[in-house]
Amino acid sequence: DGGITQSPKYLFRKEGQNVTLSCEQNLNHDAMYWYRQDPGQGLRLIYYSQIVNDFQKGDIAEGYSVSREKKESFPLTVTSAQKNPTAFYLCASSIDSEQFFGPGTRLTVL
Amino acid sequence: SQQGEEDPQALSIQEGENATMNCSYKTSINNLQWYRQNSGRGLVHLILIRSNEREKHSGRLRVTLDTSKKSSSLLITASRAADTASYFCATDKYGNKLVFGAGTILRVKS
Repeated sequence: DGGITQSPKYLFRKEGQNVTLSCEQNLNHDAMYWYRQDPGQGLRLIYYSQIVNDFQKGDIAEGYSVSREKKESFPLTVTSAQKNPTAFYLCASSIDSEQFFGPGTRLTVL
Repeated sequence: SQQGEEDPQALSIQEGENATMNCSYKTSINNLQWYRQNSGRGLVHLILIRSNEREKHSGRLRVTLDTSKKSSSLLITASRAADTASYFCATDKYGNKLVFGAGTILRVKS
């Protein structure tokens, strides 16, 4: 059953903590992406990776970090430097222009 | 920054009616895509139209693209309650890096 999985579905973080969101795909896609979505808004690109061991900053990378050690995995770390991390986070992958999305992780800062 | 802007922000129609959503963008593009998002879920790809195409159909969906006006429209015919969702346009300017609009919230009343 091919697709993209994200975990956890809900995540709660205390101020000052780093948290890592998981994204895994078994679609054999080279490119992967992380987006942030705030209520009533579209998606904003945080980081993207076109190939293993390489990634690029998107429009709102400050306070976030990623790694791409394996083709299947693209974890996102929300660091304590991110001042307003409460949001819905979406991971996607693509082999061409069409992007395939995971179900998302809702992060709430307590 | 958001390249695409959807109009209207929200649309409420009766089941069986047609729904039309519009998207405007600012700069030249390679292609334009439409995605659907059910509440609290990931995005699902609906249709892609390339810059050299003017119209494309997929089931009850019809998409038009006017590159001279930098605009696109998505028409959903014979709407159903299950079409209730947010709809986003996304433009592909930088290779496979997409820029999303803020979306149109469609509510289909049964």
